[in-house]
Amino acid sequence: DIQMTQSPSSLSASVGDRLTITCRASQSINTYVNWYQQKPGKAPNLLIFAASSLQSGVPSRFSGSGSGTDFTLTISSLQPEDFATYFCQQSYSIPRTFGQGTKLAIK
Amino acid sequence: EVQLVESGGGLIQPGGSLRLSCVASGFTISSHSMNWVRLAPGKGLEWISYISSRSDTIHYADSLKGRFTVSRDNAKNSLYLEMNSLRDEDTAIYYCAREVEVRQYVMDVWGQGTTVTVSS
Repeated sequence: DIQMTQSPSSLSASVGDRLTITCRASQSINTYVNWYQQKPGKAPNLLIFAASSLQSGVPSRFSGSGSGTDFTLTISSLQPEDFATYFCQQSYSIPRTFGQGTKLAIK
Repeated sequence: EVQLVESGGGLIQPGGSLRLSCVASGFTISSHSMNWVRLAPGKGLEWISYISSRSDTIHYADSLKGRFTVSRDNAKNSLYLEMNSLRDEDTAIYYCAREVEVRQYVMDVWGQGTTVTVSS
């Protein structure tokens, strides 16, 4: 199985900050990575697919990059509605494993 | 509107069984593979099962050890998860998710989840 190691597990930031979340795969997975945002009591929401493609309707302050084993999700200027938990997920093979999540809190 | 709605969760004693359902609207599930994913308290998302559009390919997380069975009824636009021999650690919110292929595989539509609580 492919393991997805996500970091950090939590962080505090302020509105307007730029931040990056990283995800490392246990083997090369090309660009088969998706990123999701989840708020308490809500379903996960797809942000980025194929490592760098922005899902329709997602603000352009979200971006993704990477290939092979190392991937990043960047939020260019944090907005109040961005405080949530973020997960990476590999779709290279089944089981479709997720990272452990990054909980983003307001500083 | 494209939507998935799960149901069937509840409070169940250890060793019990539950059947979860996921009904789609706004699209036809027969064109899509589907997944079940769960979120346990204090933990991250865990993929638990995959079923192809025609049910000819099915996969489960190793952690389930054969206790869960996924199925679908395309005529009813529905997906199911039969859960047996439930354990405390199966307590979670269970989501169904549609999978599409947009250059690669993506779970692009999720239900709101149904809560399963395993406790005596």
